Amino acid sequence: AQSVTQPDIHITVSEGASLELRCNYSYGATPYLFWYVQSPGQGLQLLLKYFSGDTLVQGIKGFEAEFKRSQSSFNLRKPSVHWSDAAEYFCAVGAKGGSYIPTFGRGTSLIVHP
Amino acid sequence: EAQVTQNPRYLITVTGKKLTVTCSQNMNHEYMSWYRQDPGLGLRQIYYSMNVEVTDKGDVPEGYKVSRKEKRNFPLILESPSPNQTSLYFCASSLLGGAGGYTFGSGTRLTVV
Repeated sequence: AQSVTQPDIHITVSEGASLELRCNYSYGATPYLFWYVQSPGQGLQLLLKYFSGDTLVQGIKGFEAEFKRSQSSFNLRKPSVHWSDAAEYFCAVGAKGGSYIPTFGRGTSLIVHP
Repeated sequence: EAQVTQNPRYLITVTGKKLTVTCSQNMNHEYMSWYRQDPGLGLRQIYYSMNVEVTDKGDVPEGYKVSRKEKRNFPLILESPSPNQTSLYFCASSLLGGAGGYTFGSGTRLTVV
């Protein structure tokens, strides 16, 4: 069975600093990988996704993520955080082929200090 | 605009009073799903549907029902709500296979007293 671990419950950064949110997955083959963002009072919005090919994927709002098969990781990065990036971030993994039932991590809450 | 619409956004009800949370999508997605979100537990899947008249249990189906009579609609039914079903609920949809990722509704905050 697939699983996702987001080791950090909370992350605090200063505005303008760089950001890395960690995500580790467990799956027998190469999975689909996603990052979602949830702003307060909102639903989840897709930031970026990885299916195959280039292991560095670009997303919306200046985010990127890198798939590292050897480490079973898909960490989310942003070079300079803005106050509006404060939100909950979810990593998700899905099985390739056929029916697709994604598994979500428990989320990382990003706090941005001015 | 492509979207998933949930109603209501907020609902306070009493224990045992049947309720329905509606979900509708306008993207012709085959796959729809319901999640509940609780602090510290992340998103847990309640039920999902691969297509019309095809539904299956997720991780936490107890106390919930769903139906998929039309492709666009996937209502969540609580026949006899209890306080432990107080939660934030999300409906989501995707193309079958999930390659495009999910589109989520804005959520329904349910309180059962």
